[in-house]
Amino acid sequence: GQQLNQSPQSMFIQEGEDVSMNCTSSSIFNTWLWYKQDPGEGPVLLIALYKAGELTSNGRLTAQFGITRKDSFLNISASIPSDVGIYFCAGPGISGGSNYKLTFGKGTLLTVNP
Amino acid sequence: SAVISQKPSRDICQRGTSLTIQCQVDSQVTMMFWYRQQPGQSLTLIATANQGSEATYESGFVIDKFPISRPNLTFSTLTVSNMSPEDSSIYLCSVEPPDGHNEQFFGPGTRLTVL
Repeated sequence: GQQLNQSPQSMFIQEGEDVSMNCTSSSIFNTWLWYKQDPGEGPVLLIALYKAGELTSNGRLTAQFGITRKDSFLNISASIPSDVGIYFCAGPGISGGSNYKLTFGKGTLLTVNP
Repeated sequence: SAVISQKPSRDICQRGTSLTIQCQVDSQVTMMFWYRQQPGQSLTLIATANQGSEATYESGFVIDKFPISRPNLTFSTLTVSNMSPEDSSIYLCSVEPPDGHNEQFFGPGTRLTVL
């Protein structure tokens, strides 16, 4: 089956620093999704990417869909304490799976020190 | 997007009992999904619940253990049957809006602890 490798597993940063995390896939994805999960909550969709090479921003967040369609990154600029949480990449693959079943990365736990 | 609610938000249950989790959406959707998130882990799809047909279960999940109902386009239930401590997890429902492009929106989750 499809696998997503997400890194880093965790990050400890100071408020104001920029953050970068990425996901790579063993197979081609036709959509990349980035979610954030706060403690005790369900994941919230941050950014959705639909085309290879696409670069999309949402406030201080920027994400890109890799040209090979097997990777994506998420950047957070000028981090603030409320950025704390777990960030997941996800996507429905093309090969080996139906186009609506999401595969999730293992998550990146972000801690921001004020 | 869609607004999704789940009941209960959390529960503590005894071994051997069953719990039914409800998921309500504020709009009609075809695709609804149930996920399990074990402590400190990522999300794992349990099954896809489409209105008017049997749920489709992922490898490792069976209908006897996780029966699902989907009586209409805005509601679904997941039952965790004959629970054991290993079933302690967060259970999440999600939907894909009709005009969506594979993105899914999640409910707040049900935190289940089995003693």
